[in-house]
Amino acid sequence: KAGVTQTPRYLIKTRGQQVTLSCSPISGHRSVSWYQQTPGQGLQFLFEYFSETQRNKGNFPGRFSGRQFSNSRSEMNVSTLELGDSALYLCASSSSGTGVNEAFFGQGTRLTVV
Amino acid sequence: AQTVTQSQPEMSVQEAETVTLSCTYDTSESNYYLFWYKQPPSRQMILVIRQEAYKQQNATENRFSVNFQKAAKSFSLKISDSQLGDTAMYFCAFMKPYGGSQGNLIFGKGTKLSVKP
Repeated sequence: KAGVTQTPRYLIKTRGQQVTLSCSPISGHRSVSWYQQTPGQGLQFLFEYFSETQRNKGNFPGRFSGRQFSNSRSEMNVSTLELGDSALYLCASSSSGTGVNEAFFGQGTRLTVV
Repeated sequence: AQTVTQSQPEMSVQEAETVTLSCTYDTSESNYYLFWYKQPPSRQMILVIRQEAYKQQNATENRFSVNFQKAAKSFSLKISDSQLGDTAMYFCAFMKPYGGSQGNLIFGKGTKLSVKP
């Protein structure tokens, strides 16, 4: 079974631009969550999508948005990039069902804003 | 709001020895889950072990075990017989469950563990 795939792995953007990151979950997983990882703030939850609906959202400005498609693939968009958006963006997928299911993480997208 | 604190930014241990990583958390919830994740240099987060708050028995996974003290809000990870491959960042994480899925993990700042030969 293929793992969580995030593309691209590395990205360099200029301040003011926008960027779209992609996450393909493990087959059969319907929940996709996004996290931002920086040296200063650590790992912070951005949002979670389940069956194409945003189910939970962290404390990030509206410049950060996401969506999920019918095949559970998810995209995250950041508009009007700022230097502080430079980070490792991690995506995690988990299956639906009862109880709490393990989140499987991708290798992340390293975004550098210059 | 829930918070997770890892007070040891860095630790080192000799191969084959035992090491304990500390984690404390703050919550008013009675039902929740706690996790330890490992992030090696490859950056991929890997679940090491999980603990349900309603279970008094400490979780164990091979060489990894936890000491869960609910009243003290403490959740430490013990790694026995440390191996070079255990070298990684270790993150303690809290989750308040809802809807049957792991949607919102609250992470500590991490402990960088180095296993020395």
